[in-house]
Amino acid sequence: EAGVAQSPRYKIIEKRQSVAFWCNPISGHATLYWYQQILGQGPKLLIQFQNNGVVDDSQLPKDRFSAERLKGVDSTLKIQPAKLEDSAVYLCASSLKTRTGNTEAFFGQGTRLTVV
Amino acid sequence: AQKITQTQPGMFVQEKEAVTLDCTYDTSDPSYGLFWYKQPSSGEMIFLIYQGSYDQQNATEGRYSLNFQKARKSANLVISASQLGDSAMYFCAMREGLNSGYSTLTFGKGTMLLVSP
Repeated sequence: EAGVAQSPRYKIIEKRQSVAFWCNPISGHATLYWYQQILGQGPKLLIQFQNNGVVDDSQLPKDRFSAERLKGVDSTLKIQPAKLEDSAVYLCASSLKTRTGNTEAFFGQGTRLTVV
Repeated sequence: AQKITQTQPGMFVQEKEAVTLDCTYDTSDPSYGLFWYKQPSSGEMIFLIYQGSYDQQNATEGRYSLNFQKARKSANLVISASQLGDSAMYFCAMREGLNSGYSTLTFGKGTMLLVSP
């Protein structure tokens, strides 16, 4: 079974530039998450999709971050314009919706963003 | 208030010894799940073990066991017979709202475990 795919693995941009990350979840997983993990901290949920609908984006800085999940499969996360404090690893995860809730989340390898 | 609290920034253990990583949680939802993940230096998040709030017995997966004390709202991870490859960051996470149609997954700040020979 293929895992969660993310690209690119690494990205270096200057502040005020824009950047986009791509995620392809495990086939059949209805729930998709984007997390931001700053060095030395735990992952912080940015946005959670159920199929192609947003169920939680309360911690997404909407003035600069946007995300979409067209057709309920792939997802992109965009930052425009980037700030120095956006330097972090961006993790995509997916999980299977079951009758009793979701299963564990499976994570991609992440995209390490450095803003200079 | 923090939903997941991991009070140990770092832990040291000798190879072949057991170690307990602490996790306390805060929720008013009666239906929730608790997870532990391992994150090696390579960065990937690896699922280790799961405990549901209604599970009667503590979860076990190989060398990993979860010491679930519901009344105290704690879900400590016990690693028996530590190995050098266990050196990594360990995150406790909680999924609330299992009966609500969707559920969020919230992580603690993590504990760095170093296993010495």
